[in-house]
Amino acid sequence: AQTVTQSQPEMSVQEAETVTLSCTYDTSESDYYLFWYKQPPSRQMILVIRQEAYKQQNATENRFSVNFQKAAKSFSLKISDSQLGDAAMYFCAYRSSGGGADGLTFGKGTHLIIQP
Amino acid sequence: ETGVTQTPRHLVMGMTNKKSLKCEQHLGHNAMYWYKQSAKKPLELMFVYNFKEQTENNSVPSRFSPECPNSSHLFLHLHTLQPEDSALYLCASSQGRLAEQYFGPGTRLTVT
Repeated sequence: AQTVTQSQPEMSVQEAETVTLSCTYDTSESDYYLFWYKQPPSRQMILVIRQEAYKQQNATENRFSVNFQKAAKSFSLKISDSQLGDAAMYFCAYRSSGGGADGLTFGKGTHLIIQP
Repeated sequence: ETGVTQTPRHLVMGMTNKKSLKCEQHLGHNAMYWYKQSAKKPLELMFVYNFKEQTENNSVPSRFSPECPNSSHLFLHLHTLQPEDSALYLCASSQGRLAEQYFGPGTRLTVT
C-alpha cells in the first residue's frame, strides 16, 4: 500500500516570502500521479498542482511550483511571493495510474500560516 | 450550480437516527468518491463509483451505505452511527480514472 508523509505539521512564512512544504511517499509503482491540495478555513479542498511521475519536468502553476525527485520519492511544494490568501492546510496526495484503488492517498497535511 | 455541491452542509444526528448525505456534480464527470476527514487523521477514502458501479469499498462499516443512481449524483445513507463517526464527509468527482479529483465543500456531521 502507498503511504504519504508530510513531516511539517505547521509552517509559518512572512508575506511576500517563499516557503517550501515537504512531502515524501512510498510506493512500488513506477507510474503514478502526485497532487497538492489546499484546504482553507472554508474546508473546500482546492487542487493546487499536479505532477505525472513519467514527466521529468517539474510542474508549475503561477506562484506554485514543485520539486519532484522520483528516485528519492520526494514531492515538495514551493510557494513564491506568499500572500495572505495562501493561508490554509496543504495536503499532498498520491494516486496510482492504473489498477487497484482509484482514490487518493493523502498525507496528514501542513498548516501554513502567513505572517503579515 | 457549478462544480461539486453537497447537502446538507451541517448535520447533527442521534445514534438511532437515519439520515442521508447528498452529493451532486455539475462537471460531466463519470467517477465519484466519498472521503472521511477526521481531526488529526489523513483523509480516508470510503467508496469509489465509476460509471455508477461501485469499484471500491475501503472496509467501511455497514452503517454507511452508498448509492449512486446516476453519474451526477451520489448519496451516503447513514444509520445507527457512533460518536466516532463525527467528521467532515467530502464528496469528489473526476473524469476518467486517471484525472485529478474535484471536491465538494463537505458535510460536517456530528453524532450525539
